Amino acid sequence: DAGVIQSPRHEVTEMGQEVTLRCKPISGHDYLFWYRQTMMRGLELLIYFNNNVPIDDSGMPEDRFSAKMPNASFSTLKIQPSEPRDSAVYFCASSLEGVGTEAFFGQGTRLTVV
Amino acid sequence: AQSVTQPDIHITVSEGASLELRCNYSYGATPYLFWYVQSPGQGLQLLLKYFSGDTLVQGIKGFEAEFKRSQSSFNLRKPSVHWSDAAEYFCAVAAPSGGGADGLTFGKGTHLIIQP
Repeated sequence: DAGVIQSPRHEVTEMGQEVTLRCKPISGHDYLFWYRQTMMRGLELLIYFNNNVPIDDSGMPEDRFSAKMPNASFSTLKIQPSEPRDSAVYFCASSLEGVGTEAFFGQGTRLTVV
Repeated sequence: AQSVTQPDIHITVSEGASLELRCNYSYGATPYLFWYVQSPGQGLQLLLKYFSGDTLVQGIKGFEAEFKRSQSSFNLRKPSVHWSDAAEYFCAVAAPSGGGADGLTFGKGTHLIIQP
């Protein structure tokens, strides 16, 4: 397996625009996590899914953020409208089972909102 | 809610010297404990994890960590560092659960610099 695949690797957008980040988890993994990494706040869990169902979205900062997982092999994180403070590296991770199994991380999407 | 403290933002170690990165956690019981490493521009890779049992756990790349319940610590060690160990290191915790799953709560990270 190629690992967790995220796209794009880099995204630069203007404030107010919609941004969609994509993630393909490792095949067979039942859990998918979205994290955000900033200098100020470090790595924060935004939301996670189990079998395509959102389990905990308490980390999603605002209603401008939404995440979907329409099938086992694809998830999106959308920001609409984007703001400069959303600039960060967004990581997707997947794991075979829950917290007791290793989470494999993608290489991240570096988002810059100008 | 659980929290993780990595008191050292930066650590500089000479190549070949020993290394210890500190991690303290706050949680009502014994959480699951992890150490991840992040190389520049890369995602995170799991070095090792502790769930229960032997408090000294071995990981990849020659790393080990020791869980000390009395100190709420899970420090990472390596007897002899290599230049390739230069990276960002994250300690993380998760609440043990039987049914559901929680994501990881990360510390702010320790940036490891290796001097030649």
